[in-house]
Amino acid sequence: ELKVEQNPLFLSMQEGKNYTIYCNYSTTSDRLYWYRQDPGKSLESLFVLLSNGAVKQEGRLMASLDTKARLSTLHITAAVHDLSATYFCAVSGGGADGLTFGKGTHLIIQP
Amino acid sequence: KAGVTQTPRYLIKTRGQQVTLSCSPISGHRSVSWYQQTPGQGLQFLFEYFSETQRNKGNFPGRFSGRQFSNSRSEMNVSTLELGDSALYLCASSFFSPDRGDEQYFGPGTRLTVT
Repeated sequence: ELKVEQNPLFLSMQEGKNYTIYCNYSTTSDRLYWYRQDPGKSLESLFVLLSNGAVKQEGRLMASLDTKARLSTLHITAAVHDLSATYFCAVSGGGADGLTFGKGTHLIIQP
Repeated sequence: KAGVTQTPRYLIKTRGQQVTLSCSPISGHRSVSWYQQTPGQGLQFLFEYFSETQRNKGNFPGRFSGRQFSNSRSEMNVSTLELGDSALYLCASSFFSPDRGDEQYFGPGTRLTVT
């Protein structure tokens, strides 16, 4: 059974700081996705990582994938308040389980 | 392109009743998946339909069922509702491509409250 673990689950940080969210998964997969969810809203796709070593960047967010370590990271550079949200990583197991999501990282960025 | 739409957006039902939720995927997307989101269990995969056939199924009891129509629209049904079925039900559609994999595009969700 594919398991996806995110950490931290809760993160409060100040504007201007850098931080990294980690996503570990338990079985071989080369398809990993990052989503953002604002309170009361649906999920918005942020990044699609489809191969070992993939790195994608959008604004202050950068995501990477290491399939050998079964690890993805979401790095936040010089955080701003607008990035406050819950971030999920999700792994496609290629089998019968659809996307398996991590528990999410609730990120609060304070002025 | 219009995004994924779900109806109704909010629903209140009583224990023991049944409910049907509807989802219209992005035009051209033939795969529709359903997820349940709760504060305790997070996001859990219910099932996936592709070309009117259930392709994948998560670990949910048989009270949860779904179907897909020839126009790719999908419905999910929950029978004999329990309090624990209160959740946000999210529908997602996808179209596999080499560049985006099976990236899923989510609808706004249906908030189901069981009393």
